[in-house]
Amino acid sequence: QVQLVESGGGVVQPGRSLRLSCAASRFTFSNYGMHWVRQAPGKGLEWVAVISNDGSNKYYSDSVKGRFTISRDNSQNTLYLQMSGLRAEDTAVYYCAKVFGQRQLVLPHFDFWGQGTLVTVSS
Amino acid sequence: QSVLTQPPSASGTPGQRVTISCSGSSSNIGREYVYWYQQLPGTAPKLLIYKNDQRPSGVPDRFSGSRSGTSASLAISGLRSEDEADYHCAAWDDSLSGVVFGGGTKLSVL
Repeated sequence: QVQLVESGGGVVQPGRSLRLSCAASRFTFSNYGMHWVRQAPGKGLEWVAVISNDGSNKYYSDSVKGRFTISRDNSQNTLYLQMSGLRAEDTAVYYCAKVFGQRQLVLPHFDFWGQGTLVTVSS
Repeated sequence: QSVLTQPPSASGTPGQRVTISCSGSSSNIGREYVYWYQQLPGTAPKLLIYKNDQRPSGVPDRFSGSRSGTSASLAISGLRSEDEADYHCAAWDDSLSGVVFGGGTKLSVL
């Protein structure tokens, strides 16, 4: 069974940086695009970013563009989200999600999700 | 404010049929596939419907999806207590070049 395990969350002050990781296992990580999706406390899901299987294509939501960077290390089967200039409104549980098809990138067809990691931005 | 619009809540009694709507625009639902996710309390979302009306293996046929124009719907028939969850619709938006979600609908089984 596919496994996605996020880590790196915690409490951080406004304006600071944080890097999230998503360790993938039990599938060929380098064949699939990956997304980050977040959920503020008591709110709905919000898409954050997507990266293609080889890292050559990336898209970001307007709310994080210029502040967050998605990347991956296929040799380590790990997805990253580098977050800088953090704001209170970035407080959320951050999920990584695997796309269903090898040729799929942007469609929100996610067959596996991690358990999420909580990021709290507060002074 | 979510790009896709869902009612914040819905409810039904066991055995009933309930429908959850998801309204968008020509840049998302009007031209792209719609996906539905079920999120049980304290857990990650789970894929329920893909490509408007397709069910992944393991999802009961009590769940069905449809799309018409710039709106989509999720229907749950034979409502059961374990269906009590949050339901989210999603689509790619060509104008925003990003994935958009609805605000989520909390389904209560009375």
